[in-house]
Amino acid sequence: AQSVSQHNHHVILSEAASLELGCNYSYGGTVNLFWYVQYPGQHLQLLLKYFSGDPLVKGIKGFEAEFIKSKFSFNLRKPSVQWSDTAEYFCAVNDLSGGSNYKLTFGKGTLLTVNP
Amino acid sequence: GAGVSQSPSNKVTEKGKDVELRCDPISGHTALYWYRQSLGQGLEFLIYFQGNSAPDKSGLPSDRFSAERTGGSVSTLTIQRTQQEDSAVYLCASSFRSTLGYNEQFFGPGTRLTVL
Repeated sequence: AQSVSQHNHHVILSEAASLELGCNYSYGGTVNLFWYVQYPGQHLQLLLKYFSGDPLVKGIKGFEAEFIKSKFSFNLRKPSVQWSDTAEYFCAVNDLSGGSNYKLTFGKGTLLTVNP
Repeated sequence: GAGVSQSPSNKVTEKGKDVELRCDPISGHTALYWYRQSLGQGLEFLIYFQGNSAPDKSGLPSDRFSAERTGGSVSTLTIQRTQQEDSAVYLCASSFRSTLGYNEQFFGPGTRLTVL
């Protein structure tokens, strides 16, 4: 079955450290890619998205992600994290090649803890 | 409204009872989705509505689960004869629906269901 993998279940960093969260998917066709974030006690919010064009996508709060088609990856990065980035991060894929091009398939999430 | 709203925010019920969860999507969004978020499992797709029709019910885990949408707006997810394994956070999302499938989904705060 097609799937989305987030390799890191829990990442713990100190403030100012750099962040990279991995996301890989198994779809072979055209995809839209998303990163969502869920801050403690809040609902899921869109962090950034890739539809087409420049594979390096910039989102809110200094986050960026790079789509590497050959590696089926869409890793999330931030050069210097802050305590307020503590949250759970979800990668999601929208497979445009099949009949279910409305459906988002999510990874299991990565919990990021940033220590002050 | 400003965002997707869901009610109740929390629901505790006894095994075997029926529950109804409500979702109010963003005004003008024609597409509506239900997901389930279980601990450590990410988000699991349940059902998709385009207008009032549900072309994809494939994610509903059993025939105890049903959903409807009226007036192209409010949706209710009903779980009959609840079981303990139904305990989860039920998330609703909505989006515009374009023919290209570019469907950035906006999520509500969820309903936390606990079945005792």
